[in-house]
Amino acid sequence: GNSVTQMEGPVTLSEEAFLTINCTYTATGYPSLFWYVQYPGEGLQLLLKATKADDKGSNKGFEATYRKETTSFHLEKGSVQVSDSAVYFCALSDVLLTEKLTFGTGTRLTIIP
Amino acid sequence: GAVVSQHPSWVICKSGTSVKIECRSLDFQATTMFWYRQFPKQSLMLMATSNEGSKATYEQGVEKDKFLINHASLTLSTLTVTSAHPEDSSFYICSASRSKTSGAYNEQFFGPGTRLTVL
Repeated sequence: GNSVTQMEGPVTLSEEAFLTINCTYTATGYPSLFWYVQYPGEGLQLLLKATKADDKGSNKGFEATYRKETTSFHLEKGSVQVSDSAVYFCALSDVLLTEKLTFGTGTRLTIIP
Repeated sequence: GAVVSQHPSWVICKSGTSVKIECRSLDFQATTMFWYRQFPKQSLMLMATSNEGSKATYEQGVEKDKFLINHASLTLSTLTVTSAHPEDSSFYICSASRSKTSGAYNEQFFGPGTRLTVL
């Protein structure tokens, strides 16, 4: 079956530091990959996505590249801000077969000024 | 746009009672709604998928008689936890998607979640 393994948190960084949150996956077929973000008190929001190998998803300064050879979709940002403090979830879906999302465990990120 | 609300945001109930959680799409029509459960420090686990006007499809291991799901309209789905017990205490999250395009990702929009505590 499908599964997502995500870097354990919590992660604490200083403002303007470089961020990497690792995500690897196991899937049959050709999944689409996603990063969701959950700010305090809010629902999960789609941050970025990639639908095929070598695609790069990007949004709000965050990037992730779909690496089929390493089955990875690591989230990166060059310079984090306090407002980036949230919980980040990596997820996948085999959109050709189902709308179901399979999530990782989430990584809590705290940025300190 | 694409806002999903949940009510209540938290609820405490006695063991043996039933609790209803509402999920509403506020500014779009949701053809499909999903219900998830999240345990502390664990990922969201899909419980069931519901389409408006039809019976929900439950994931393996989810008791359909315990977790009753109703998707009576294009903007409202409800999850009723029947005869709740302390092990049902969890964070319940719904999501909704607004269109069905075959072979493409239909984005899910998530509610803020409902924390259920059963005493």
